Amino acid sequence: GDSVTQTEGQVALSEEDFLTIHCNYSASGYPALFWYVQCPGEGPQFLFRASRDKEKGSSRGFEATYDKGTTSFHLRKASVQESDSAVYYCALGVNYNQGKLIFGQGTKLSIKP
Amino acid sequence: DTTVKQNPRYKLARVGKPVNLICSQTMNHDTMYWYQKKPNQAPKLLLFYYDKILNREADTFEKFQSSRPNNSFCSLYIGSAGLEYSAMYLCASSRGWGYAEQFFGPGTRLTVL
Repeated sequence: GDSVTQTEGQVALSEEDFLTIHCNYSASGYPALFWYVQCPGEGPQFLFRASRDKEKGSSRGFEATYDKGTTSFHLRKASVQESDSAVYYCALGVNYNQGKLIFGQGTKLSIKP
Repeated sequence: DTTVKQNPRYKLARVGKPVNLICSQTMNHDTMYWYQKKPNQAPKLLLFYYDKILNREADTFEKFQSSRPNNSFCSLYIGSAGLEYSAMYLCASSRGWGYAEQFFGPGTRLTVL
C-alpha cells in the first residue's frame, strides 16, 4: 500500500547548521508530496507542497524537490535557527478527489542556541 | 481567522462509556477531517466530510461515527471507549478537494481509563 518513511526520528543541531530530513515514499500513480510542521501545543501547519516530478516546494527558508526517480522529497534548510525546533511531517496525497493525506511518523528537530 | 478550534482540549473517559469530541472552523471550508495520533506513530486519517457526505476509512469504519450539523461544526463520536482509543485526535479543514492545504486544530488528548 501507499506509505511514507521518514528515516530520522530525531535530529539535534546547532544554530546555523545545515538541515536535511529524509522522506521517501511508496505509491502508485502520481501522488502529491507535502511537508507540515508542528510546534508544541499546536496542530500541524502546512509548509509547502509539490505535485510533479522535479518541482521544488519552499517556504520560510525550507525547501524540498519532488524526485520521482528516487521516490524522495527530502526537506532541507541551509541555516537553522532555534525557532525552527518542532516536529516535521512528510505527507503523501494519494487521492486527488478526496484530499486524503498519508503522514510519515515525524521527525523531531531540536536546535541548540 | 484561519483557526480550527477543538473542544475539549483534554478528555478523560471510562472504558465502555461514550465520547464526543467537537471541532469548529469559520473559514467556510467544504471539507473537515479527523485524524488519530498515537505516540511514535504517524497521524492516521479516520474519516472526513466533504460538504454533507461522510467518508470513513475502511479499517476504522466500525469504531467511529461523525456528524456535521452545519458547515462550521463537526463531531467525532465513540460509542463505547476502549483503552486503545487513548490518543490525540486532530481535526482539520480545507477548501474544496484535491491537494489543498489542510488547517489543523490543536487537538484533543483523550485518555481512556
